[in-house]
Amino acid sequence: AQSVSQHNHHVILSEAASLELGCNYSYGGTVNLFWYVQYPGQHLQLLLKYFSGDPLVKGIKGFEAEFIKSKFSFNLRKPSVQWSDTAEYFCAVNFNSGNTPLVFGKGTRLSVIA
Amino acid sequence: KAGVTQTPRYLIKTRGQQVTLSCSPISGHRSVSWYQQTPGQGLQFLFEYFSETQRNKGNFPGRFSGRQFSNSRSEMNVSTLELGDSALYLCASGRTSGAETQYFGPGTRLLVL
Repeated sequence: AQSVSQHNHHVILSEAASLELGCNYSYGGTVNLFWYVQYPGQHLQLLLKYFSGDPLVKGIKGFEAEFIKSKFSFNLRKPSVQWSDTAEYFCAVNFNSGNTPLVFGKGTRLSVIA
Repeated sequence: KAGVTQTPRYLIKTRGQQVTLSCSPISGHRSVSWYQQTPGQGLQFLFEYFSETQRNKGNFPGRFSGRQFSNSRSEMNVSTLELGDSALYLCASGRTSGAETQYFGPGTRLLVL
């Protein structure tokens, strides 16, 4: 079955540290890729998405992600995190780029400490 | 433009009861998807409706059902509630079915006692 893996369950960083959250998926075909963020007490918000084109995607709040097809990966990065980035981050994949539902990773909880 | 709204926001039920949750998508969106979010399993897809038709269904028992109305509003129903149904139920809307970006509502938190 198609699956999405986020290997880091909980990441703790100091402010200004760089962030990279891993996301891998198990499928060799065409995919659409998403990162969502869930801030404490808030609903899921779209950070960025990749459908086609430049594999380096820039999203909101200084986040970016790189699609590496050969590695089946879509890692999320931010050069310098802030306390306000404390949240849970979900990678999601739409397999076949068609009429299939989004498959989510289990999420990575990011805690940024001052 | 108003976002996705879900009612009620919180619910407490007892085992064996049934519950109906409601979702109003963003204006102009015709696709509504439902997800169950729990700490152990993360976000799991329940079903998707588009133009009043169920397009996809996740791996949940038949106690979980849904429907969509002509105005794109959707309801999901869970019958014969079990303790394990306690979760945050999220609704997401999109313009079309399939690869379209989905926008999520705040969720309904269901507690089954």
